[in-house]
Amino acid sequence: AQTVTQSQPEMSVQEAETVTLSCTYDTSESNYYLFWYKQPPSRQMILVIRQEAYKQQNATENRFSVNFQKAAKSFSLKISDSQLGDTAMYFCAFRGNTDKLIFGTGTRLQVFP
Amino acid sequence: NAGVTQTPKFQVLKTGQSMTLQCAQDMNHNSMYWYRQDPGMGLRLIYYSASEGTTDKGEVPNGYNVSRLNKREFSLRLESAAPSQTSVYFCASSTSTGEYQPQHFGDGTRLSIL
Repeated sequence: AQTVTQSQPEMSVQEAETVTLSCTYDTSESNYYLFWYKQPPSRQMILVIRQEAYKQQNATENRFSVNFQKAAKSFSLKISDSQLGDTAMYFCAFRGNTDKLIFGTGTRLQVFP
Repeated sequence: NAGVTQTPKFQVLKTGQSMTLQCAQDMNHNSMYWYRQDPGMGLRLIYYSASEGTTDKGEVPNGYNVSRLNKREFSLRLESAAPSQTSVYFCASSTSTGEYQPQHFGDGTRLSIL
């Protein structure tokens, strides 16, 4: 069975600095998708970034980028130029060959002024 | 564009009461899902429906039933609520045809069972 592990329950960063959130996963499948979702205090689940396993290039969305290491089964999220509005829970998620998402337990990120 | 709409947003029940959580999407998505979110546990899949007329169990289906009423609507029912079902419930939808698209989530229902 697939598993997703986020080993950092909480992280903090100063505004304008860079922070990296870690995620590892376990699967025997070769084709899959990985996602980072953001959940602010409003409780909405917002897709931040996605990565297809068959793509070697790391995905980037403005200030958000990933470091996808397929052999190591690692999928970290880097947030550059952190903003106060980035304060939220961040969830890593995996989707294999079934139409289901497996979520990690989340990392609470606090951005300080 | 409303996306995924869940009702109600908040609800308090007594142990043993029944309740149906409603979910509707207007994106013409084939697949719909129900998750629960508990502190420190992330989101866990309760049930999902890959298409109208089909439903399948997820990771934590016990104590719940679902109905895929039509392509737009997917409801979650608690027949006899228990305190262990106190949680935040999320509905999501996605399309399973063509290139995979990520799931879109509703705003959640906070359910407390006393």
